[in-house]
Amino acid sequence: SQQGEEDPQALSIQEGENATMNCSYKTSINNLQWYRQNSGRGLVHLILIRSNEREKHSGRLRVTLDTSKKSSSLLITASRAADTASYFCARVVDTGGFKTIFGAGTRLFVKA
Amino acid sequence: DAGVTQSPTHLIKTRGQQVTLRCSPKSGHDTVSWYQQALGQGPQFIFQYYEEEERQRGNFPDRFSGHQFPNYSSELNVNALLLGDSALYLCASSLGTTFYEQYFGPGTRLTVT
Repeated sequence: SQQGEEDPQALSIQEGENATMNCSYKTSINNLQWYRQNSGRGLVHLILIRSNEREKHSGRLRVTLDTSKKSSSLLITASRAADTASYFCARVVDTGGFKTIFGAGTRLFVKA
Repeated sequence: DAGVTQSPTHLIKTRGQQVTLRCSPKSGHDTVSWYQQALGQGPQFIFQYYEEEERQRGNFPDRFSGHQFPNYSSELNVNALLLGDSALYLCASSLGTTFYEQYFGPGTRLTVT
């Protein structure tokens, strides 16, 4: 089973709008990463935020991390049709060795 | 610079059979991790190989085994296939075992009938 949840499960917005996806988890993390997946193929790494960081930016992406609430959010600003994809958060935990735990993902559909 | 490659792209097997999937990591990477992704779900970590040894393992039965070769490429073997093994199998490579910035291959779609 997968730890944590992502919400919403699906999101439909108009081009130009912002999209926000949230990720919650239950155990302590080493870092948290966000990935994008198009049409059930390979995942693309978007951004990594370490447990001692609170916010990171990369282009139109903004990720926040609140370790006290065990949650993270991904904001995509000025969305484009090409942003249509599934987005996953992945927690890296240290259990005497590192493991990656993915959530179930948010399916984003951007309408042109 | 070639990224992560996987073969085959698609595979159809019958229950009880065995399957081998292959992965070549991104140039310069020495670690390979394997994931199983069921339809509509996120990837689930199977195991990680580094220096030709299995370093970490997820909650998968012993029917799932792997190997890493001296050139860092890797194989995933699944024995006694079950219908529930039908999924997209993803390989990811990285530098070292910390899972920083994994590069994923396009995956192998396995269908068990």
